[in-house]
Amino acid sequence: GQQVMQIPQYQHVQEGEDFTTYCNSSTTLSNIQWYKQRPGGHPVFLIQLVKSGEVKKQKRLTFQFGEAKKNSSLHITATQTTDVGTYFCAGRRIDYKLSFGAGTTVTVRA
Amino acid sequence: DSGVTQTPKHLITATGQRVTLRCSPRSGDLSVYWYQQSLDQGLQFLIQYYNGEERAKGNILERFSAQQFPDLHSELNLSSLELGDSALYFCASSPTSGIEQFFGPGTRLTVL
Repeated sequence: GQQVMQIPQYQHVQEGEDFTTYCNSSTTLSNIQWYKQRPGGHPVFLIQLVKSGEVKKQKRLTFQFGEAKKNSSLHITATQTTDVGTYFCAGRRIDYKLSFGAGTTVTVRA
Repeated sequence: DSGVTQTPKHLITATGQRVTLRCSPRSGDLSVYWYQQSLDQGLQFLIQYYNGEERAKGNILERFSAQQFPDLHSELNLSSLELGDSALYFCASSPTSGIEQFFGPGTRLTVL
């Protein structure tokens, strides 16, 4: 079963609004990665977070790794139609095992 | 185009059969990962190889096996197929363990 829980499963957003998706792990992670999968496509790497409390930004996307390295979040500001897709977090444990969250599927109302 | 190739794109087979999915990583990438994506289970990590050796094992069934060859391409073997094995199987590669993975286009397996 999933060892990394991701919420919400679905996010319906009005264009221009902000939203956040959250990942929580039952175990401490060595790092966490975020991917985006467009409908009908394959996952595409967005970013990796390694350090406790790390925050990284990519234009309108802000990624955060928790102090305990057990949780992470992705915040998107001023949502655009190009943000449509499913966002996955993937936590890597110290034993190299990877666990993907179930994903947050984002739809945007124009 | 990520540089990762997977064949075949589509595969339709019957229950009880055995199939082999093939993946060629990006040039120079030593790590290969296999994933299963189904509607009700999301993206499930199956197994990772690094330079020919198994590095990490996820939720891979005993009916499934994989290997990475000296030229770094990898194969995922699925045997005694069941209806529930129908899914999209992705391969990904990365230069070293723990950094960006590049996903292939996937193989869609349908078990009838």
